Amino acid sequence: GAVVSQHPSWVICKSGTSVKIECRSLDFQATTMFWYRQFPKQSLMLMATSNEGSKATYEQGVEKDKFLINHASLTLSTLTVTSAHPEDSSFYICSARATSDIDEQYFGPGTRLTVT
Amino acid sequence: GQNIDQPTEMTATEGAIVQINCTYQTSGFNGLFWYQQHAGEAPTFLSYNVLDGLEEKGRFSSFLSRSKGYSYLLLKELQMKDSASYLCAVMDSNYQLIWGAGTKLIIKP
Repeated sequence: GAVVSQHPSWVICKSGTSVKIECRSLDFQATTMFWYRQFPKQSLMLMATSNEGSKATYEQGVEKDKFLINHASLTLSTLTVTSAHPEDSSFYICSARATSDIDEQYFGPGTRLTVT
Repeated sequence: GQNIDQPTEMTATEGAIVQINCTYQTSGFNGLFWYQQHAGEAPTFLSYNVLDGLEEKGRFSSFLSRSKGYSYLLLKELQMKDSASYLCAVMDSNYQLIWGAGTKLIIKP
């Protein structure tokens, strides 16, 4: 089956620094990748949708300049949390939609970010 | 607006059967998904329904009624490892997933 990886799986950083999270589709090409955020005991919240080679589409309330998304190839998307603050601590999950199968999204294992 | 409702928490006994309901109101419909999520992990796919009726897959079954905006996930022969959150998600007309808040299922021996 389709596999999506994320790196790192967890990261601790100091307030004010930037953190980059990678999302890769390992055995398929993903035209579209999604970035989600999940707070404890809450549903996944879509942050942005990224299409390869174009700018990401951000959901209302998500700061574009704070959460930088780059989808440079059909197998890699990155999310950079800039000037991180403790309130950015969360579980970030990416998913990828295969070019050939738009009805399914394949999820990465998630990245737990803790900002101290 | 778009809305998906499912119970916050349910409790069931090992070996029993439990049904988790999901109702939805979305702009367009391109299928309904059920995911299982253990604490601290990403969701894993359980089922996909796009036509009305029941889809059976081992101990898990999922039902859909598009006219009623309703689905349920049926879990049989419950095992302790089934303790998890179960997320209902609908793919809307833009092929984006709209998520419910999840149902935490607690299995007791």
